[in-house]
Amino acid sequence: QVQLQESGPGLVKPSETLSLTCTVFGGSISSSGYYWDWIRQAPGKGLECLGSIFYSGTTYYNPSLRSRVTIFVDTSKNQFSLKLSSVTAADTAVYYCARHRTAGGIDYWGQGTLVTVSS
Amino acid sequence: DIQMTQSPSSLSASVGDRVIITCRASQSINNYLNWYQQKPGKAPKLLIYGASNLQSGVPSRFSGSGSGTDFTLTISSLQPEDFATYYCQQSYTTITFGQGTRLEIK
Repeated sequence: QVQLQESGPGLVKPSETLSLTCTVFGGSISSSGYYWDWIRQAPGKGLECLGSIFYSGTTYYNPSLRSRVTIFVDTSKNQFSLKLSSVTAADTAVYYCARHRTAGGIDYWGQGTLVTVSS
Repeated sequence: DIQMTQSPSSLSASVGDRVIITCRASQSINNYLNWYQQKPGKAPKLLIYGASNLQSGVPSRFSGSGSGTDFTLTISSLQPEDFATYYCQQSYTTITFGQGTRLEIK
């Protein structure tokens, strides 16, 4: 059974960089049939994908966040990570990591981690 | 990026009702359309992938149809556990989601 687990600070100061890591258990991040996504949900709002990465390192970013987002993978640790720079209160959200099948659909999600941007 | 528009934004229905939620893409996405159910405090759950394929373990009262720009999610007979928020999502290009449809008990 595949499990994903987000880790990182729950509080980030405005203008600083938000950093989260997702560890994948029960499956290899190097499998060719999957992308690995970062998705967020602001309180009471809908879902927004920040970007995706393939195990090879190929990335796809949300155009509206591209200048602030970096996603990278560490296959030796079965992890992928998110960095979001110059954060503001608008970046306060639950951040999910997820596995996205090339055949269709996000089939596994982390439990989500709330990141609050506040001084 | 591709915009996804769901309707209605909210819906009141009763147990046993048939419910249809629609999703429209701003350009053709072939059948790269997925549906999710989300309950409060939980991660979304995949219901339908590739517009019409039922995810393993999902009850058969859920079905999806459509291609190109127009898609529907149908729940044939609402059960108490189906009251939740539903999202469509395209994976034709960089992932985008619809704004969600909140399904409430009448």
